[in-house]
Amino acid sequence: EPEVTQTPSHQVTQMGQEVILRCVPISNHLYFYWYRQILGQKVEFLVSFYNNEISEKSEIFDDQFSVERPDGSNFTLKIRSTKLEDSAMYFCASRADRAVNTGELFFGEGSRLTVL
Amino acid sequence: AQSVTQPDIHITVSEGASLELRCNYSYGATPYLFWYVQSPGQGLQLLLKYFSGDTLVQGIKGFEAEFKRSQSSFNLRKPSVHWSDAAEYFCAVGARGGGNKLTFGTGTQLKVEL
Repeated sequence: EPEVTQTPSHQVTQMGQEVILRCVPISNHLYFYWYRQILGQKVEFLVSFYNNEISEKSEIFDDQFSVERPDGSNFTLKIRSTKLEDSAMYFCASRADRAVNTGELFFGEGSRLTVL
Repeated sequence: AQSVTQPDIHITVSEGASLELRCNYSYGATPYLFWYVQSPGQGLQLLLKYFSGDTLVQGIKGFEAEFKRSQSSFNLRKPSVHWSDAAEYFCAVGARGGGNKLTFGTGTQLKVEL
């Protein structure tokens, strides 16, 4: 069964360092998302991406965050200068174009980011 | 703006007992509604979804949920819980139209006693 894959599964970094989280969405999907879940809190929307541009972003997604689809398969989330409060599980999700009105997302297993 | 409330943070049930997890939503029109499950160390897996039509929807693993417009609720049920159902359950609402971001509730942690 097709799945969304994320790397790394866990990354530990020092405050102020840059981090890139990588995702390989399901191959025929065209809509891509990043969500995050701070430990013990709810899953929060960060950003959605379609046709090589951001279609929507939340207040959390400030100038320290960026997303990119550098090639036909990867979708990355970059945090330029990490802060302690960026420690969270980051989930990538994708959706097929044909499902544009259903909202069904397929999630990866997450990348846990720990900022020290 | 849409929002989701899951009033129960933790629920403990005995294996074989029935289960109901509550979810209330706020949205200006008929929403898309979802239940996801997150097992320890795992990602979010879709259990079931409601878009339109029959208000009682069946999902995977024996779960079902009922959309009640008058109560703005979408409660998740299972007639007989198995120990493997222990996980965190998230209700989510999606807006109709482009983007389709999901807004999640805070989750309900289910513990199953043997």
